Amino acid sequence: SQTIHQWPATLVQPVGSPLSLECTVEGTSNPNLYWYRQAAGRGLQLLFYSIGIDQISSEVPQNLSASRPQDRQFILSSKKLLLSDSGFYLCACSGAGRYNSPLHFGNGTRLTVT
Amino acid sequence: GDSVTQMEGPVTLSEEAFLTINCTYTATGYPSLFWYVQYPGEGLQLLLKATKADDKGSNKGFEATYRKETTSFHLEKGSVQVSDSAVYFCALSDRNDYKLSFGAGTTVTVRA
Repeated sequence: SQTIHQWPATLVQPVGSPLSLECTVEGTSNPNLYWYRQAAGRGLQLLFYSIGIDQISSEVPQNLSASRPQDRQFILSSKKLLLSDSGFYLCACSGAGRYNSPLHFGNGTRLTVT
Repeated sequence: GDSVTQMEGPVTLSEEAFLTINCTYTATGYPSLFWYVQYPGEGLQLLLKATKADDKGSNKGFEATYRKETTSFHLEKGSVQVSDSAVYFCALSDRNDYKLSFGAGTTVTVRA
């Protein structure tokens, strides 16, 4: 079965600092990968998804970016954090090429921008 | 585009009460439907799913039936426990897409 490793679990960063959140997946090959953000008291917002290396789609234009340097590694980055970037960031994966494959989520990173 | 609307919370219940969380969807095709649960401080876990009309998903005492005629996928549990306190998300995936669209989530608190 798929296992998602996401770190760090919590992070406090000042406004204007860079960000790098890493997610790695075990137990599957060529997964679809996703980054979601959950703001306090709100639902899930899809930020990026990737169906393969060098295939990354951005859902919300903002100061975040994503990269997939390896098949099972997905990185979320920012050059300069904003206060509004605070939230709970979740990495998820699903089976390759399957539209109705359920998502498996990591345990998330709670980011507080101060 | 595809979207999911679910009942707003928070919902507070006593133990052994009946729980219903309404979910309706809008989709151009024939989506698959899911319920996810998020326990405090954790990521989301798949609770149940249904991939075609009239399918019933069930898990841990929870049930939901895919109703195409009413475009609904309501979550029910006959007798809740304190351990069911969590945030519940309804979601759909479209045949032509790799993305899941999530509802806003419903916070459920069960009191002993």
